[in-house]
Amino acid sequence: KQEVTQIPAALSVPEGENLVLNCSFTDSAIYNLQWFRQDPGKGLTSLLLIQSSQREQTSGRLNASLDKSSGRSTLYIAASQPGDSATYLCAGDQTGANNLFFGTGTRLTVIP
Amino acid sequence: DTAVSQTPKYLVTQMGNDKSIKCEQNLGHDTMYWYKQDSKKFLKIMFSYNNKELIINETVPNRFSPKSPDKAHLNLHINSLELGDSAVYFCASSQETGALGELFFGEGSRLTVL
Repeated sequence: KQEVTQIPAALSVPEGENLVLNCSFTDSAIYNLQWFRQDPGKGLTSLLLIQSSQREQTSGRLNASLDKSSGRSTLYIAASQPGDSATYLCAGDQTGANNLFFGTGTRLTVIP
Repeated sequence: DTAVSQTPKYLVTQMGNDKSIKCEQNLGHDTMYWYKQDSKKFLKIMFSYNNKELIINETVPNRFSPKSPDKAHLNLHINSLELGDSAVYFCASSQETGALGELFFGEGSRLTVL
């Protein structure tokens, strides 16, 4: 059974810092991986999608990478801003499985 | 224009009642999903429909019955509500099955069973 762990569970940083969020899968056979952002009381917003043939994706200040050999992904946020404060979730699927396995989330607070 | 919309956003009801949550997507996607987010914020899939056909039905009590009248709609009906059904229910859609395409989520329906 696939389990997804995100470390740290919570993180507070001063504005302007660069930071890294981590995600690991017990079964490293990940096909596609997505990072999402969830604001309190809201749904999930897709940030980055790393498809099966890719290892990395970048969007603005965000960069996500996936190491399929270890089943680990990182989300790098550069020059953090208070508006980045939210919960970040990673999710992956596996070949032949029509299902996304979600991580437990990292709650990020960026202090002005 | 909201891409994936759910109604109601909040639902408070008594144990034993029957309730429905509606979901509509205007993205032209073929696949729609229902996810449950528990009090610890853990998200787990319940159902997945592709072009009105059920393709995933995780271990969910049969009190939960999804209905897809067309590929733009996936409604969730819950019979005989129990305290443990209290959660936030999210509808989502994608162009492809699974995560071959991006998943787009609705804003959630918070169900509270008293």
